[in-house]
Amino acid sequence: DAGVIQSPRHEVTEMGQEVTLRCKPISGHNSLFWYRQTMMRGLELLIYFNNNVPIDDSGMPEDRFSAKMPNASFSTLKIQPSEPRDSAVYFCASSSRLAGAGNEQFFGPGTRLTVL
Amino acid sequence: GDSVTQMEGPVTLSEEAFLTINCTYTATGYPSLFWYVQYPGEGLQLLLKATKADDKGSNKGFEATYRKETTSFHLEKGSVQVSDSAVYFCALSEIQGAQKLVFGQGTRLTINP
Repeated sequence: DAGVIQSPRHEVTEMGQEVTLRCKPISGHNSLFWYRQTMMRGLELLIYFNNNVPIDDSGMPEDRFSAKMPNASFSTLKIQPSEPRDSAVYFCASSSRLAGAGNEQFFGPGTRLTVL
Repeated sequence: GDSVTQMEGPVTLSEEAFLTINCTYTATGYPSLFWYVQYPGEGLQLLLKATKADDKGSNKGFEATYRKETTSFHLEKGSVQVSDSAVYFCALSEIQGAQKLVFGQGTRLTINP
């Protein structure tokens, strides 16, 4: 299994530009999570999907952030317009909610976003 | 709500030293407990887990025991190596609601040769 795949691995953009981060979860997993990690705030859960449906988006910082999961094998996190304070590493993770799975999450390698 | 509190870092040790990173939790019921490790430039990886009281999770020489009476899940290793340098996160899985993972703040560990 290839694990969770994220793209791009690095993104450098200018303030005001739209940024789209992509994630392919592990095949067969039915839960997907987007996290943001910074030195100041640590690891923050942004949004969580179950069976492609957003369940908890309380961590999304503001309306500039949006996330979609059009099918079980693909999700996007979009920032429009981007701001320098959005600079962070964004992680995608997936898990299986099957009974007994323990809710272990598998993380992707992350996308390092720099907004100038 | 559920929460996880970890020992504050950074922690710096010499190679072959004994390691303990403390983790305590607050939760309704009996959640599953996890330790994740993040090596530089990488995502988090599951290190070990325990799903019920008195279970011991172990991997790569690391161990942690689920202690219900003290609501703790301390990470230990008898002899650390330089390659163990990383950030370690304790986490619990909610029993109710969204059943998402609740993470501690992470503990940065540096092992000097």
